[in-house]
Amino acid sequence: EVHLEESGGGLVQSGGSLRLSCAASGFTFSNYEMNWVRQAPGKGLEWLSYISKSGSSIYYADSVKGRFTISRDNAKNSLYLQMNSLRAEDTAVYYCAREYWYFDNWGQGTLVTVSS
Amino acid sequence: EIVLTQSPATLSLSPGERATLSCRASQSVSSYLAWYQQKPGQAPRLLIHDASNRATGIPARFSGSGSGTDFTLTISSLEPEDFAVYYCQQRNNWPKVTFGQGTRLEIK
Repeated sequence: EVHLEESGGGLVQSGGSLRLSCAASGFTFSNYEMNWVRQAPGKGLEWLSYISKSGSSIYYADSVKGRFTISRDNAKNSLYLQMNSLRAEDTAVYYCAREYWYFDNWGQGTLVTVSS
Repeated sequence: EIVLTQSPATLSLSPGERATLSCRASQSVSSYLAWYQQKPGQAPRLLIHDASNRATGIPARFSGSGSGTDFTLTISSLEPEDFAVYYCQQRNNWPKVTFGQGTRLEIK
């Protein structure tokens, strides 16, 4: 069974940093592209970042480009999101999502709260 | 950026009724459209991909249609567990995919 579990969320001050992790199991992690998607409280879904199977191709939404960095470690079956220069508007639940043309499996999310 | 507009924002129906949810794209997305279901406190779940194909394990009462700019998600006979928020998502502009703002399906 496919399982994705995010961790690393929490409360951080504006301008601070956090590193999110997503541990994958139940499938061959290195065979799949991965993404981060977030959801602000009471709001809709926003795609943030994509990483290819090998990590050689990476894309970001304009809202986080230059502040967030996606990476992966296929040996550890893990996906990461380094978040710097955090702002109040980054407050959200952050999901990792496996991509097979679409987002076919999601983690349960980790809450990031940025206090101003 | 391709903007997806979902309507209605809220749909109030009773179990057993038919639900019709709409998603309109600001420009053509061909058939590169998906639908997701999200229940409170849960992650989204993929229901429909490529406009009309049910994802693995999704009941037959869920169906999708449309192409270009106009898409519909239909739930033929609502079950109690179907009351949730539904999002459409396009991947025609991959990797910069976008989601609609959601339709809340509530019990009448």
